[in-house]
Amino acid sequence: QSLLTQPPSASGTPGQRVTITCFGSASNIGSNYVYWYQLLPGTAPKLLIFRNNQRPSGVPDRFSASKSGSSASLAISGLRSDDEADYSCAAWDDSLSGVVFGGGTKLTVL
Amino acid sequence: EVSLVESGGDLVQPGGSLRLSCAASGFTVSGHSMNWVRQAPGKGLEWVSVLYSDGSTYYADSVKGRFTISRDNSKNTLYLQMKSLRAEDTAVYYCARGYSYGEPCDYWGPGTLVTVSS
Repeated sequence: QSLLTQPPSASGTPGQRVTITCFGSASNIGSNYVYWYQLLPGTAPKLLIFRNNQRPSGVPDRFSASKSGSSASLAISGLRSDDEADYSCAAWDDSLSGVVFGGGTKLTVL
Repeated sequence: EVSLVESGGDLVQPGGSLRLSCAASGFTVSGHSMNWVRQAPGKGLEWVSVLYSDGSTYYADSVKGRFTISRDNSKNTLYLQMKSLRAEDTAVYYCARGYSYGEPCDYWGPGTLVTVSS
């Protein structure tokens, strides 16, 4: 059971905007930065967002994120077929002295 | 350019041991926090362990006492020594660099598969 809670699935049509939520607690999201990753089978997880809302170079601005209290969200606008993947949130947890991840959200582009 | 490449994954019997390696390039392992993260089939990512630049280490409760994280500065390589392996340790194991102290990871390797089965 993951310490960060994400919906197991999300979907949208090309061009739409979708949002994926991530719920945590005071010891993780509530007091530390949130990161978001894109997971594709057989490849290394790709960093999409670091420190709550920062995009690494090369990540398009269609990807944005925010954090409020002990929850966070990732938004993908102008949805494309190649956005179909699993998305996972992560944060440091002060109680565990380790990283905690969400269970992942499978995004389907209809 | 930062690169991480894991190796050592294999099929091993329950109770057996295995050592994973992660060869790094483009940065020095000793100067960063380095993590092992795993993903069991059909499951989400699970953090396993971290080794900080100061040498301190932390482990998930699920592997504490069975896994040991270490590094060889001369080879710029991270290791994960795993013993007393269980079926539930079956997963793809990723080596990942921490963005900063007490933060999740930025760069990841492609992973290596560990299967624990008789």
